[in-house]
Amino acid sequence: DAGVIQSPRHEVTEMGQEVTLRCKPISGHDYLFWYRQTMMRGLELLIYFNNNVPIDDSGMPEDRFSAKMPNASFSTLKIQPSEPRDSAVYFCASSPSGAKNIQYFGAGTRLSVL
Amino acid sequence: QKEVEQNSGPLSVPEGAIASLNCTYSDRGSQSFFWYRQYSGKSPELIMFIYSNGDKEDGRFTAQLNKASQYVSLLIRDSQPSDSATYLCAAGNAGGTSYGKLTFGQGTILTVHP
Repeated sequence: DAGVIQSPRHEVTEMGQEVTLRCKPISGHDYLFWYRQTMMRGLELLIYFNNNVPIDDSGMPEDRFSAKMPNASFSTLKIQPSEPRDSAVYFCASSPSGAKNIQYFGAGTRLSVL
Repeated sequence: QKEVEQNSGPLSVPEGAIASLNCTYSDRGSQSFFWYRQYSGKSPELIMFIYSNGDKEDGRFTAQLNKASQYVSLLIRDSQPSDSATYLCAAGNAGGTSYGKLTFGQGTILTVHP
């Protein structure tokens, strides 16, 4: 299996622009997670889905952030408008149901908002 | 706030020594515990998981869990320079509305010097 696939790997944008991050989970995994990692705040859970349905979005920092999972093999995290404080590494992870929470991470997207 | 706390480090050990990484958690509902290794610029990689009280060994790694004390540790025997990384402790709740969700600690930076 190719693992969790994220794109793009790097994104540089200007403040105010829309940013869309993409994730393809491991085939057969029922859970999908979006995390943000910074030096100051560590690894933070933003939102997670089960069977394409958002379960907990309490970690989404504000309304500028939105996430969708239109089908079992694709999810997006969108920031509109982006701000410099959104600069971070964004990870997507997936987990099979019944695996007692074992999560497998993608390579991440490094976002820089200028 | 359900928290996972790790000794902040950084932890420096000589090659061949035992590295001891510690973690405490506040949610007594946590039932599964994970250690992820993260090399600089890379994504977290699962190295150990433990669900039951006691020790679990895998090669040079031993995870220890004490639910009464809400304490998890990771021992790395015969430490190698290639073990130098950030180690993330995570706790999961295997039931209820939090099923599938992990709470991560801030991480401990380990440096193994030759």
